[in-house]
Amino acid sequence: KAGVTQTPRYLIKTRGQQVTLSCSPISGHRSVSWYQQTPGQGLQFLFEYFSETQRNKGNFPGRFSGRQFSNSRSEMNVSTLELGDSALYLCASRLGGFSEKLFFGSGTQLSVL
Amino acid sequence: TQLLEQSPQFLSIQEGENLTVYCNSSSVFSSLQWYRQEPGEGPVLLVTVVTGGEVKKLKRLTFQFGDARKDSSLHITAAQPGDTGLYLCAGGGNQGGKLIFGQGTELSVKP
Repeated sequence: KAGVTQTPRYLIKTRGQQVTLSCSPISGHRSVSWYQQTPGQGLQFLFEYFSETQRNKGNFPGRFSGRQFSNSRSEMNVSTLELGDSALYLCASRLGGFSEKLFFGSGTQLSVL
Repeated sequence: TQLLEQSPQFLSIQEGENLTVYCNSSSVFSSLQWYRQEPGEGPVLLVTVVTGGEVKKLKRLTFQFGDARKDSSLHITAAQPGDTGLYLCAGGGNQGGKLIFGQGTELSVKP
């Protein structure tokens, strides 16, 4: 069974640009969560999607948005990039229930110059 | 705001030594998870504890959930170089699927 796949693996952008990250969950998993990981703040929850609906959201500005498609694949978009957005963005999937095990992808390393 | 504080932040030990990592909060969590993350990879779940006072063992790793479900510890016996990595605790169950992560403990085990 293939794991959680995130693309691209690395990304370099400049301030003011926007970026879209992609996540393909494990087959059969309907929930996809996104986390931001930085050395200073650690792992912080961005949002979770289940069956194409956002069912939980973290404390990030509106520049961070996401969506989920009918095949459970998810995308995360960050507009008007800031230097502080440089981070490892991790996607995690699970079958659906809140208590079920989370499987993380390897992440997308975003550098904003 | 729920917070999880992990200590120590960094740990460098020799192969064969024992170590304990702590995860503390002022909030009660329905469950507490421990993850291990290697460079360039995402976190991998090691264990989930859900009952106050619960102890789980995974080979040389022992996990404990505090009686009040506010704290947890991870004890590694006879550490090996393969144990090197970032250990993360995460509290969950209080806000749907959202996990609150600790800052992590960077463990280095030297041969």
